[in-house]
Parts: sequence; structure tokens; C-alpha cells
Amino acid sequence: EVQLLESGGGLVQPGGSLRLSCAASGFTFSSSAMTWVRQAPGKGLEWVSAISSSSDVTYYADSMKGRFTISRDNTKNTLYLQMNSLRAEDTAVYYCSKGRKHPDYWGQGTLVTVSS
Amino acid sequence: QSALTQPPSASGSPGQSVTISCTGTSGDLGGYKYVSWYQHYPGKAPKLMIYEVTKRPSGVPDRFSGSKSGNTASLTVSGLQAEDEADYYCGSYADSNNLVFGGGTKLTVL
Repeated sequence: EVQLLESGGGLVQPGGSLRLSCAASGFTFSSSAMTWVRQAPGKGLEWVSAISSSSDVTYYADSMKGRFTISRDNTKNTLYLQMNSLRAEDTAVYYCSKGRKHPDYWGQGTLVTVSS
Repeated sequence: QSALTQPPSASGSPGQSVTISCTGTSGDLGGYKYVSWYQHYPGKAPKLMIYEVTKRPSGVPDRFSGSKSGNTASLTVSGLQAEDEADYYCGSYADSNNLVFGGGTKLTVL
């Protein structure tokens, strides 16, 4: 059974940083591209970033470029999202998902709240 | 504002069919075969229901079907059941290696 478990969310002040983690199991993590998607309160889904299976290629939404960094550790079956210079509009539930063009498994998400 | 446009709500009675539309552009939905649909219960993990416009993952009932014409994709749910009441999101691969999503449609089973 595929499982994706996000962690690392919480309350952070504007301008602060946070690192999200996603522990994966039930599939060959090292062979799968991975994606982060977020959902702000009362809003729809928004693609954040993606990474190839071997980390050689990364992709970012324009509003996250330069502030967010996606990475992975295939020895630990874990995906990461380093978020810097956080803004109020980054407040959202962040989902980790497997795949890139049509993510087929998703975690339940971790809530990030950016507020003073 | 989301990249893909969906109606905010849709509804139908048990046993009926309902269709949810999703409109994009030639730079996303109209230009690629990677159109997907997700079912989302609040507080739960989104679930892939349709991928590559018409394909169903294993375990998804054949009551769910997808189609596309030009820049508009559609999800049809036939034989509506109470458990189909959820939020539905369309998604599409897009130019610049992005993914884009719709704003979501809340499906109510009357």
C-alpha cells in the first residue's frame, strides 16, 4: 500500500523558514518523480514544485522560485520542501504526491500557517 | 484565480448522472493529453479518479468517466451515489513543465 506522510508544518512568522518532509512507503521511491501541491484555506489546489526520480531536474511555480527548494533523499525514501521568506499568502495545507504529470497518490497534507 | 475554470458547484439525485466541466487553454488542457481529475474529501488525501483524459486507475468505479474536446474537459459521474459527494478538481500538464489545477467543484448528492 502506497503511503505518503507529510510532517513539518506549523506556525511561522512572515519572513521565516520551514522545512517540510514527506516519508514515502509502499512503492519504489527512487524510481518515482514527486510533486508538492498546496491548498490555501477555501481555495483550490495549486502546484508548487516537482522533482525527478534522481534529483537531476527540479521544477517550480513562478511564485515559489527563489524561495522554495525541493529535494529528496532516496536512501531515506523522503521528499523535502525547504521554504524560505515565507509570506502570509503561503498559508496552506501542503500535500506530497507521487508522480509528475498526473500525481496518482497523495498524502493527507501538513498545515503551514504564516502569521505574526 | 485558478488556471483552469470549473463551476463552483454541481448537484444531482441518487442514480442520476452529472457532468463537471473544466476549461483551460491551448497551453495547458487543450494542448496535452495529461488531463486528470481528483476526488477530495476535506481533511483527506485527494484521490486520482481519471488520468490522461479518459483512463481510470485500478479500483475507480466505471461510473466515473472523462472526456475532452478542444480546451474543455469533462468528468461525468453516472449512477450518483451518496458517497460521491465531495470536491472534484481537474488538473492538466501545462507549458513550462507546470501542472495547473481548477478551482474545484463541490458535488452535492441531493
